[in-house]
Amino acid sequence: GAVVSQHPSWVICKSGTSVKIECRSLDFQATTMFWYRQFPKQSLMLMATSNEGSKATYEQGVEKDKFLINHASLTLSTLTVTSAHPEDSSFYICSASLPRGLGDTQYFGPGTRLTVL
Amino acid sequence: EDQVTQSPEALRLQEGESSSLNCSYTVSGLRGLFWYRQDPGKGPEFLFTLYSAGEEKEKERLKATLTKKESFLHITAPKPEDSATYLCAVQATRDTGRRALTFGSGTRLQVQP
Repeated sequence: GAVVSQHPSWVICKSGTSVKIECRSLDFQATTMFWYRQFPKQSLMLMATSNEGSKATYEQGVEKDKFLINHASLTLSTLTVTSAHPEDSSFYICSASLPRGLGDTQYFGPGTRLTVL
Repeated sequence: EDQVTQSPEALRLQEGESSSLNCSYTVSGLRGLFWYRQDPGKGPEFLFTLYSAGEEKEKERLKATLTKKESFLHITAPKPEDSATYLCAVQATRDTGRRALTFGSGTRLQVQP
C-alpha cells in the first residue's frame, strides 16, 4: 500500500517552454502532497506543500509564479514549471501523506528528471 | 531552526561487515523521525518512523533506534543490495499543521561483495 506515482519520469524541453509534472496517490487519498527538488549528490529541498482544494504553501525563496502547483483532487497534484530555463534542470520528487490520524509518514514518488536545453 | 546532520557522509563496507549510520538532530519538539532509502535516480523509499526516545524498529537487516538527540540505523551483515543513500528526516511538533519534513544530507552506503 501507499504507492505514489509521477509522470513523466523524465522530460527534456527547450528554454522558455512550460512543463507539467503529475503526482498521484494510487491506493490512498492524500489531503496533503509535497513537492521537493534534489540536485546531484544533495538532499531533498522542500519547495511547497499542497493541500487539496486550497492554495499551495511555498517555502521561502521558491517563486510561486514559476512553480505553479494545483491539488485538484485527493489523489492528484500537479507541478508546472513555467518558462523553464537551464537552471531549472533538476530532479523533482513529490510525496503524499496519509490522511490525518493515520500517521505522519510521507510516501514518495519515483521522481521526474527535468532537463532544460 | 531545525537541523539534521548525518554521518558519515559515505561508508564503504564489505559484505557481512555490520555498522551504524548516525543522524543527529536539533528540533524544538520532535514529532517524528523518519528513515528512508534512496537508490540513484529514484525517489526515497520509506523504512521507519520513530516517535519517542527508546523506540526501536527492525526490518530485515536494518534496525533503527532513537534517543533525545540522535538516531542510529544499524545494518547487520549487509549485502550488496543494501547499497544506497540512507536519508534521515525530522518533523517538528510545530509543523504538524503543514506536516513538513527536514532532511539530512544522507549517508551513501556501498557494500562490496
